Amino acid sequence: GNSVTQMEGPVTLSEEAFLTINCTYTATGYPSLFWYVQYPGEGLQLLLKATKADDKGSNKGFEATYRKETTSFHLEKGSVQVSDSAVYFCALSGTSYDKVIFGPGTSLSVIP
Amino acid sequence: DTGVSQDPRHKITKRGQNVTFRCDPISEHNRLYWYRQTLGQGPEFLTYFQNEAQLEKSRLLSDRFSAERPKGSFSTLEIQRTEQGDSAMYLCASSPRLVRAGETQYFGPGTRLLVL
Repeated sequence: GNSVTQMEGPVTLSEEAFLTINCTYTATGYPSLFWYVQYPGEGLQLLLKATKADDKGSNKGFEATYRKETTSFHLEKGSVQVSDSAVYFCALSGTSYDKVIFGPGTSLSVIP
Repeated sequence: DTGVSQDPRHKITKRGQNVTFRCDPISEHNRLYWYRQTLGQGPEFLTYFQNEAQLEKSRLLSDRFSAERPKGSFSTLEIQRTEQGDSAMYLCASSPRLVRAGETQYFGPGTRLLVL
């Protein structure tokens, strides 16, 4: 079945460090790919998305590129801030059903 | 800007009791989803509605769970004869179009259930 795997956390970085959170997926067809973020005490919200191969999603300095050949959608940011501390979820939506499958989440802590 | 709202935000109940949660989606969204999230895990799909029609149910949704969306607006999720394993955060989301086409889901704050 369809699934999402992402790197285990927690991840702790110093402010202004480079961030990569790996995400790979298993799916039939061409799913849409998402990164959702959950800030402390807040609900899940969309960070970025890509709907076809080679698309790059970007928002708030974060980027991720839909790589069909490696079935990956890694999240990157060049310089993290303390305010980026949150849990990040990689997710996909299928081609034959209208729901989203989430990965287990990666907790990020950014220290000053 | 009124987002997705859920009520109650917290619920503590004793094993064997019934509980009901409510979700009010963004008003123009005709798709509504329920997920369950346990500590340290990502949300798991439970069920979804297009207008008042329940189109898919996960195998996670045992016979003790039932969901309704009677007029295509708000939805309720009922758990009968609660068990300790039902303790989780129950999330509701809505979207205006097909998520499989890349549409964004908008999530509510969740209802945290604790079964003693």
